Amino acid sequence: EIVLTQSPGTLSLSPGERATLSCRASQSVISSYLAWYQQKPGQAPRLLIYGASSRATGIPDRFSGSGSGTDFTLTISRLEPEDFAVYYCQQYGSSPRLTFGQGTKLEIK
Amino acid sequence: QVQLVESGGGLVKPGGSLRLSCAASGFTFSDYYMTWIRQAPGKGLEWVSYISSSGISIFYADSVKGRFTISRDNAKNSLYLQMNSLRAEDTAVYYCARDYVTPDYWGQGTLVTVSS
Repeated sequence: EIVLTQSPGTLSLSPGERATLSCRASQSVISSYLAWYQQKPGQAPRLLIYGASSRATGIPDRFSGSGSGTDFTLTISRLEPEDFAVYYCQQYGSSPRLTFGQGTKLEIK
Repeated sequence: QVQLVESGGGLVKPGGSLRLSCAASGFTFSDYYMTWIRQAPGKGLEWVSYISSSGISIFYADSVKGRFTISRDNAKNSLYLQMNSLRAEDTAVYYCARDYVTPDYWGQGTLVTVSS
């Protein structure tokens, strides 16, 4: 099973700043089958990025994903107040057995 | 628009059973694979089970294999999760999700609490 490790655990930033979230896999993720989700309190996760770098429908272009192999990054270019949430990476290269990272909490500084 | 609405959660004693349902609308249900994912209180996300569009291919996480059964009724646009021999560690919000490459649309979840 591929284990995903996200860092940092918590990221404290201010609106307008740039956020960089990391996801490292214990082994290479097949075909960059790596997704990112955003989850706000009391809500279901929302798909942001799939295929490591493709934005899902309706996702603003301030969200971008990059990486391959074992190292992936989610970047939010300029933080909006609604972006403060928990972010999860997920691999689906070994689909259907999906695995998730433990999450990064993005909080307002 | 895509809508997924889970129901059937609640409080159940250890060893008990519960059946979750997920009503789908806004897309051609029979064209899509479907997935159940759960989230224990204050914890991360855990994949539970997956069913192909026809229902022929089914997979389970090791933590639920032999106790949970996923099924679907394409005529009713519905997904199900029969949960037997429930344990305290099964306590979680259970989400159903449409699976297109990866889970793309999720329901709001239904809470299952296993406690005596």
